[in-house]
Amino acid sequence: KNEVEQSPQNLTAQEGEFITINCSYSVGISALHWLQQHPGGGIVSLFMLSSGKKKHGRLIATINIQEKHSSLHITASHPRDSAVYICAARRTPGNQFYFGTGTSLTVIP
Amino acid sequence: ETGVTQSPTHLIKTRGQQVTLRCSSQSGHNTVSWYQQALGQGPQFIFQYYREEENGRGNFPPRFSGLQFPNYSSELNVNALELDDSALYLCASSQWDRITGELFFGEGSRLTVL
Repeated sequence: KNEVEQSPQNLTAQEGEFITINCSYSVGISALHWLQQHPGGGIVSLFMLSSGKKKHGRLIATINIQEKHSSLHITASHPRDSAVYICAARRTPGNQFYFGTGTSLTVIP
Repeated sequence: ETGVTQSPTHLIKTRGQQVTLRCSSQSGHNTVSWYQQALGQGPQFIFQYYREEENGRGNFPPRFSGLQFPNYSSELNVNALELDDSALYLCASSQWDRITGELFFGEGSRLTVL
């Protein structure tokens, strides 16, 4: 069993739809990161969370420490949101990072 | 653009050879971490350096080693290359604090082992 599990693995949405990607982890963490990876490999950090909720534009990330679960929401999705979204947990103690396998999102116009 | 630069961007090696990959961290960041990403997979954590010392390591054998320099740039060295080492190698820099800092990734070095 992986320390970090993401769902769904693949997601296709119509432009404008509300999207949710889920991440569950099984280790103690100091922070959880949501990352976006476009074709070609470049990774951009979207959020770093240790508690609560963060919002940036149409993106919202939440974390429930007790349930060891985080979600990434995209409101009013757009084709440019098409990418792979990855959650990564920084373990404590030890500082190792554990990554989910990613959610491949395609938004259709 | 993140300010994290990696070199080389692409390279081809043969089995048994050694490779050194380089990463310059974003200005002001004192922590560098390295990841291996095989095709179609999520990144796998190799190790992390903070103030020139390794302070976290994933499940990689000792032939994966690293360095961090006083200017916080870093190298990843892989000895005795194997075919399965073919992957995208990513580094990320952050400003370490008691909790953690946001990660800034480079574009990666794509290694092919023949």
